Amino acid sequence: AQKVTQAQTEISVVEKEDVTLDCVYETRDTTYYLFWYKQPPSGELVFLIRRNSFDEQNEISGRYSWNFQKSTSSFNFTITASQVVDSAVYFCALSEGNKLVFGAGTILRVKS
Amino acid sequence: SAVISQKPSRDICQRGTSLTIQCQVDSQVTMMFWYRQQPGQSLTLIATANQGSEATYESGFVIDKFPISRPNLTFSTLTVSNMSPEDSSIYLCSTEDTSSYNEQFFGPGTRLTVL
Repeated sequence: AQKVTQAQTEISVVEKEDVTLDCVYETRDTTYYLFWYKQPPSGELVFLIRRNSFDEQNEISGRYSWNFQKSTSSFNFTITASQVVDSAVYFCALSEGNKLVFGAGTILRVKS
Repeated sequence: SAVISQKPSRDICQRGTSLTIQCQVDSQVTMMFWYRQQPGQSLTLIATANQGSEATYESGFVIDKFPISRPNLTFSTLTVSNMSPEDSSIYLCSTEDTSSYNEQFFGPGTRLTVL
């Protein structure tokens, strides 16, 4: 069965620091999708990115970047020059058919 | 992307009662999903709801406890029956955007507290 591991339970940084959130996954599927979601204190789940298993290109979107490495089954997320508004719980997820399997989440606290 | 709304946004309920949560999507979708997020925990899939068929429940979740309706392609309900404090969670509805394969969007969630 699919499994997603986010080993970092909580990370604290000072504003403007770069921070990387780790995600390691397990799957026997050859075709799959990986996701990152942000959950701010208000509770809604905000979609950040989807990556399919055949696309190992790294992606950059503003201050956000993602590094997908199939060789190590990792899909790490980096926030550059972090801001207080980045404080949230971040979830990595893996597709299992049409449903998602979520990691435990990483709490990111950005202090001013 | 699909816009999803949920009602109620939050509720406080007494033990032994039931609550029905509504999920409305602004476009027709084939599959809708219900997730539970217990306090401080990750999201766990409860069931998948397809229009015109019985919902498919994940291990550990049963229809008697979490009956689901899916009367059309834009709407679904999840009922939390005979509630206990352990049911206190955020319940989230999501759907798959068929224009962008396997891209799942989530509703704002229903924050349930059972006393």
